Amino acid sequence: AQSVAQPEDQVNVAEGNPLTVKCTYSVSGNPYLFWYVQYPNRGLQFLLKYITGDNLVKGSYGFEAEFNKSQTSFHLKKPSALVSDSALYFCAVRDPASGGSYIPTFGRGTSLIVHP
Amino acid sequence: DAGITQSPRYKITETGRQVTLMCHQTWSHSYMFWYRQDLGHGLRLIYYSAAADITDKGEVPDGYVVSRSKTENFPLTLESATRSQTSVYFCASSELAGGSYEQYFGPGTRLTVT
Repeated sequence: AQSVAQPEDQVNVAEGNPLTVKCTYSVSGNPYLFWYVQYPNRGLQFLLKYITGDNLVKGSYGFEAEFNKSQTSFHLKKPSALVSDSALYFCAVRDPASGGSYIPTFGRGTSLIVHP
Repeated sequence: DAGITQSPRYKITETGRQVTLMCHQTWSHSYMFWYRQDLGHGLRLIYYSAAADITDKGEVPDGYVVSRSKTENFPLTLESATRSQTSVYFCASSELAGGSYEQYFGPGTRLTVT
C-alpha cells in the first residue's frame, strides 16, 4: 500500500526567507512523487515530480524538491519566499509496483503563508 | 483553448435531485479522475477511468455514477443529491506515455445541496 504524510497543516515564513514544506511517503517499491499547488478558488497545478534520476528536482516558480530515499522524504523548498507563494500545497505519491492502475495518493495539504 | 474544463462552475440544487457535473479535456489523455475536496479531508477520489468505457471506484463512490463513452468527456452524476455531497468537485486527467504521469486539474465545480 502507498501513503503520504504532510506533517504540517500550516507553514509560516517571512518574505525573502527560505521555505520548506515537508512530505514523507511509504511505498513498497521506488516511488513516483509529485508536488501540486492550489491557489484560492482554483484547481491544483502541477509543480514538479520525481520519477528517477537526480535527487534534486527543479520545478515551476523557482520551487525545487529533494528526494531522500533513506528518509523516505520529498520536501518542497524555495530559497526566497514571495507573498504570492501563499497557497495550499499537496504532495502525492504513486507506487509503480502497485499494479496496473494509476492512482496516486495525496497528502492532506499544507497551507503556506508568506508574510510581507 | 486546450486544457481541461468543468461545467458548471457553481451549482445549487435541492436534496433528492439528480445533477450532472461535466468534465472535458482536449489532450486525449487516457486517464481521468473525479475528486471531491472538503475541509479537513483533503482530496478524495470518487471514480477514475483508464480509457473510454473503463471506469472504476475510488475511495468514496457511493451516491455517484460516472460514464466515459468518449475519451475527452467524463461526466459525474449525483443520482439523488444529499447535503453531505455539498463540496468542491475537481476533474483531472493524466497520461502515462513519455514519462508524464502528473495530473492536470480542472478549475472545479462548487456544488451546494440545500
